[in-house]
Amino acid sequence: EAQVTQNPRYLITVTGKKLTVTCSQNMNHEYMSWYRQDPGLGLRQIYYSMNVEVTDKGDVPEGYKVSRKEKRNFPLILESPSPNQTSLYFCASSLRPRGTRTDTQYFGPGTRLTVL
Amino acid sequence: TQLLEQSPQFLSIQEGENLTVYCNSSSVFSSLQWYRQEPGEGPVLLVTVVTGGEVKKLKRLTFQFGDARKDSSLHITAAQPGDTGLYLCAELIQGAQKLVFGQGTRLTINP
Repeated sequence: EAQVTQNPRYLITVTGKKLTVTCSQNMNHEYMSWYRQDPGLGLRQIYYSMNVEVTDKGDVPEGYKVSRKEKRNFPLILESPSPNQTSLYFCASSLRPRGTRTDTQYFGPGTRLTVL
Repeated sequence: TQLLEQSPQFLSIQEGENLTVYCNSSSVFSSLQWYRQEPGEGPVLLVTVVTGGEVKKLKRLTFQFGDARKDSSLHITAAQPGDTGLYLCAELIQGAQKLVFGQGTRLTINP
């Protein structure tokens, strides 16, 4: 089954304790990205990757890191989490855009993170 | 970054009623997508509209793209409890393959 998986689904942690949220897709997609969802704000892009070893900042990158060493995986790293990073996080993937082609982005099930 | 405004933010109606939700922008959309998100899941794409004036139908859902490509609407006919969810509009930024989302309309259909 074609899917995007995230782990963990739920995480409660404390300020300053490094954590990693994993994301993996089995569709051989080149493009992957991370979003956070907060009430009243919709989803906002954190980082994205157009291919292996190619990453770039989205709209809200502060406090986050990513890596793309393999095509299928795109982990989100919080080196020193703070309470304002409490949110619902989604990973998404799609084929790389070609011209005006609009490719479907497939979202993972989400990771609910609470930073105390 | 373009601002997408969705209205209403919350809507609760009875099964069988019709409803319309809106997505408006301060500038022209390149292309617009509508998603539905259910609790505990990620957004799922419903439709993409690209051409001004375009109308697309998905069973009881009708999506319309404004002639000037600055607004869009989603109309649901004879709503059912299974339509309950968060409806999000998003502009797809071409080339960057980036989505800019509205804040969503939370729809509840009561049996």
